[in-house]
This record gives sequence, C-alpha cells and structure tokens, in this order.
Amino acid sequence: DGGITQSPKYLFRKEGQNVTLSCEQNLNHDAMYWYRQDPGQGLRLIYYSQIVNDFQKGDIAEGYSVSREKKESFPLTVTSAQKNPTAFYLCASSLAGGRGYNEQFFGPGTRLTVL
Amino acid sequence: AQSVTQLDSHVSVSEGTPVLLRCNYSSSYSPSLFWYVQHPNKGLQLLLKYTSAATLVKGINGFEAEFKKSETSFHLTKPSAHMSDAAEYFCVVRVMNSGNTPLVFGKGTRLSVIA
Repeated sequence: DGGITQSPKYLFRKEGQNVTLSCEQNLNHDAMYWYRQDPGQGLRLIYYSQIVNDFQKGDIAEGYSVSREKKESFPLTVTSAQKNPTAFYLCASSLAGGRGYNEQFFGPGTRLTVL
Repeated sequence: AQSVTQLDSHVSVSEGTPVLLRCNYSSSYSPSLFWYVQHPNKGLQLLLKYTSAATLVKGINGFEAEFKKSETSFHLTKPSAHMSDAAEYFCVVRVMNSGNTPLVFGKGTRLSVIA
C-alpha cells in the first residue's frame, strides 16, 4: 500500500528533552511538510521541504528542527527550546511543481505530550 | 497574503438533513481551494478540490462545493447527512501563481450529526 507512516502514534516527553518524530512516505513525492494541530486553531506549518537536502521554515519553526537526507523521510525534532510542545503533529507529502493543484496526503499523526 | 475563514466553528444537523459548511477566502491571485475531513485522532483526507476547470466540484461521500469568485466563497454542501459524516472539516487555500507552496488552513468546522 502506498502512503505516509508516522511513528510513534503517542509520545511522552519530559521537560528539557529533545524528541524526534518519524515520517516516511512511499508515494515518490518530492515535497514533504510538518504541521502542528492544537484544538480550535487548525493546522499551522512548522517546516516544509520541496526537494532532498533543502527545507524552509514555516510559520512556527522556533523550537523545531528537521532534516531531509532521503526523499522518503522527513523527521522532525522537537527541541527543549519549544515552550509548549504538547500537540498533535501531522506530516504530509505532495507532488512538487505544477500550478498549485497538487493536494497533500497526510499521515495518521503523532500525539506528543510533555509531562 | 492569502487566507481562509470558516464562518462556523461548530455546526449541528439531524441525520438526513442538508449540510452547509461555509468558507470564505482571500487571495490576490486565482486560488486553488480544497476541503479536507478529519475524524478524531486521525490524519486528514481530501474531500474535493477546485482547480478552475468547473465552479461546481463534486467530491467523495456525496459532498460538493461551489466556487463563487464574486463572493470569494467555497461553501461545502451535502444533501443528506449521515452519522458517519460527524468530523472536523477544513477549508484550505493555495495561491496558484506561487507554484507548489504550502497550504493555508482554516481553523476548522466541527460537524455533529444527531440521530
């Protein structure tokens, strides 16, 4: 089956710890994205990558870091600098290029809770 | 800058009655518009997308949306609600002229369906 996988489904972190969320896709998409979802706020963009070895900050990048060493993988690290990391994190991917019609395909999400 | 406003944070309907979820957008260019659905603790699934080919767009599960440029609206409708339609719905915009840039999400509308 083609799709996007995220792991783990649930993640608990102590304050002051860095944690890494995994995102893998086998759709052969060039572009990948990370969003944060909080109740009543919709989805907010953290980072995105349109090609391997390149990525751009989104609206709320502070306290997060990413890498894009392989086309299939786009891990997100939540650092201790992120003041309020408890949230639902969603990874997405899409075809690159085109005139903007390309929809994004989403993974099932990771729920991060800081203890 | 482009933005999207979902006019209702919560809509409640009875099973078998019509559904209307309202969305207005703001964009300097001709937009590409999407509706996504999210069931609790799940990722997002594409319902439909507007790509300028036709103003009335049909999607999955009996949903459709009409693009009205004069009103800058893209409201989502369904003739008859089912219990399984209860979920969060997101209206999403991308500015077409900017290529494959990230999507901009509305804050979401929670749809409740009463038996």
